[in-house]
Amino acid sequence: SQTIHQWPATLVQPVGSPLSLECTVEGTSNPNLYWYRQAAGRGLQLLFYSVGIGQISSEVPQNLSASRPQDRQFILSSKKLLLSDSGFYLCAWSVELGGANVLTFGAGSRLTVL
Amino acid sequence: GQNIDQPTEMTATEGAIVQINCTYQTSGFNGLFWYQQHAGEAPTFLSYNVLDGLEEKGRFSSFLSRSKGYSYLLLKELQMKDSASYLCAAMDSNYQLIWGAGTKLIIKP
Repeated sequence: SQTIHQWPATLVQPVGSPLSLECTVEGTSNPNLYWYRQAAGRGLQLLFYSVGIGQISSEVPQNLSASRPQDRQFILSSKKLLLSDSGFYLCAWSVELGGANVLTFGAGSRLTVL
Repeated sequence: GQNIDQPTEMTATEGAIVQINCTYQTSGFNGLFWYQQHAGEAPTFLSYNVLDGLEEKGRFSSFLSRSKGYSYLLLKELQMKDSASYLCAAMDSNYQLIWGAGTKLIIKP
C-alpha cells in the first residue's frame, strides 16, 4: 500500500534561519507531489507541485523553494525564514480515483517562526 | 476571481443530521471535493462530485448543483468522532484546486 511520510512534525525556528521539510512516498512510482500551507482561517494554499524528478512548478512567489532529488522525495526549503512563514505545511501526492485526482496528505509539519 | 464560501462553524447534537453548505465560483469546473480534517491532523478525502445529484457513502452524502455553483455535505447519525473541520474544494478548468477555509463542526452530546 502507498504511504506518505513527512518530517519533522513540529519545529520552532528563529527569523532568518534556514528551513528544510522532507516528504517521502512509498508504494508508488512517479507520483505527482505537492506542498501546501494552511494558515488559520484560510483555505489550503498550494505552494509547489512536481510531476517528476527535477520538475517543480511554483504557484506563489515567496522565499520558499522546493526540490525533488529523487522520484519519491520532495523537499521544501528556505534560506531565511520570515515571521509570515509560520503555518501548517502539508505534503501530498495524488492518485486518480473514479475520474478525480484525489490528494493523500502527509501528517503535516507545524512551523513556528519567532 | 475564484472563490469558495462555507460557514466558519456549525454545532450539532450527537445522533442528529447536519448539512454543511458550500458555494463556489471558479474559472471552469472539473469537480467538487470534500475533505475531513481533525484538529492538528492532515485532511482526508471524503467525496468527489462532478455530476449533478447526490452521492451517498454510508453516513455521509454529498450533493452538487453545477448550475447553482452549490454543494453540500450531509452527515447523518452524528457521532462525537465527527467533530472536525470539513473542507470544500472546487477544481477549475486548469485542474487546480480552490479551497474553502473549512467549516468547524462541533458535536455536542
